[in-house]
Amino acid sequence: RKEVEQDPGPFNVPEGATVAFNCTYSNSASQSFFWYRQDCRKEPKLLMSVYSSGNEDGRFTAQLNRASQYISLLIRDSKLSDSATYLCVFNQAGTALIFGKGTTLSVSS
Amino acid sequence: DAGITQSPRYKITETGRQVTLMCHQTWSHSYMFWYRQDLGHGLRLIYYSAAADITDKGEVPDGYVVSRSKTENFPLTLESATRSQTSVYFCASRGQGLTYEQYFGPGTRLTVT
Repeated sequence: RKEVEQDPGPFNVPEGATVAFNCTYSNSASQSFFWYRQDCRKEPKLLMSVYSSGNEDGRFTAQLNRASQYISLLIRDSKLSDSATYLCVFNQAGTALIFGKGTTLSVSS
Repeated sequence: DAGITQSPRYKITETGRQVTLMCHQTWSHSYMFWYRQDLGHGLRLIYYSAAADITDKGEVPDGYVVSRSKTENFPLTLESATRSQTSVYFCASRGQGLTYEQYFGPGTRLTVT
């Protein structure tokens, strides 16, 4: 099983739509989980951490399911500016972070 | 300005040349990282450093050398560049705390001809 798996997409949605991404990870010892956002040809930027109880930041909701070893990101009321690649990230033993290859979202008017 | 910077932003070099990519952060973060990003592979860790004078290999260290004589700088050297090292290189840093989130520089786009 790959360390991290994401549906690469692209997800093409209209403005205002709700869209969800899932990401599965293989290392059951992972403790920290994140979603990063990466715009074309730019650096990844931290979107939000993912907590065990689930957490919300405005239109974005992140969930963690340890039993099934996946995290999810829900985006409500999609905006054109949400178009980007979303990277699923978790820590391996110690310092290293493992990055998924990303899910591409395209929001159209 | 505070943050993490990389230089040069773009570099074209020839096979066999030595190239050094610079990374500088002003947060006094303990940890610094070098990644490369290629189509189909995502971000892969090359080297990281937990503090000045402490470095360790990541997933793809071959052909690269790092040093960290000062906390704020973490240069990456390609000793003899190869075409397979054509990539986008990102430097990142994080603090000492228990959280693991990293903050990235703007990247260096390197082309080896």
